[in-house]
Amino acid sequence: GAVVSQHPSWVICKSGTSVKIECRSLDFQATTMFWYRQFPKQSLMLMATSNEGSKATYEQGVEKDKFLINHASLTLSTLTVTSAHPEDSSFYICSARSPDQETQYFGPGTRLLVL
Amino acid sequence: QKEVEQNSGPLSVPEGAIASLNCTYSDRGSQSFFWYRQYSGKSPELIMFIYSNGDKEDGRFTAQLNKASQYVSLLIRDSQPSDSATYLCAVSGTYKYIFGTGTRLKVLA
Repeated sequence: GAVVSQHPSWVICKSGTSVKIECRSLDFQATTMFWYRQFPKQSLMLMATSNEGSKATYEQGVEKDKFLINHASLTLSTLTVTSAHPEDSSFYICSARSPDQETQYFGPGTRLLVL
Repeated sequence: QKEVEQNSGPLSVPEGAIASLNCTYSDRGSQSFFWYRQYSGKSPELIMFIYSNGDKEDGRFTAQLNKASQYVSLLIRDSQPSDSATYLCAVSGTYKYIFGTGTRLKVLA
């Protein structure tokens, strides 16, 4: 089946630092990946759509200069949270679109805590 | 009107019963529909997808789609305590999925 990994699974950082999260599709090539954020007991919130070889498409209200997305290869997308603040603490989840372009498979998520 | 609507629950059913989870969507042109399960603290995992009107069965799970009524449902037969989770309905848009807010299911032992 389709496997998507994320690294790290959890990270604690100081306010003002930057954090990079990697999302990899392990057994298929994904031209499109998605980044979501989820606060406790709330629904998934789509942050951006990451397309291989082109700029990411950000959802309304998501600061593209704060959440940098790079999709340099067909199996890797990265999300960098720049100058992190405590309010950025959340559960960040990526997903990759299957080769048939129909199904999304989610990574296990990265829990970020900014002190 | 929200694009994908689900009752937040919790929906409580006794062990062994059928759990029925419902979802409505607003975009009549939607073509693909998905059910994900999310355990607390974990990321969503795909349970089923359905494209055509009617029923689709996979083990204890049955997805039902009625495009005329813009309605998709998930039935879980012989519910188990391990089925207790939040179930997310997703509808495929042009470039992305639209997710509902999820229904929390509690299966009581």
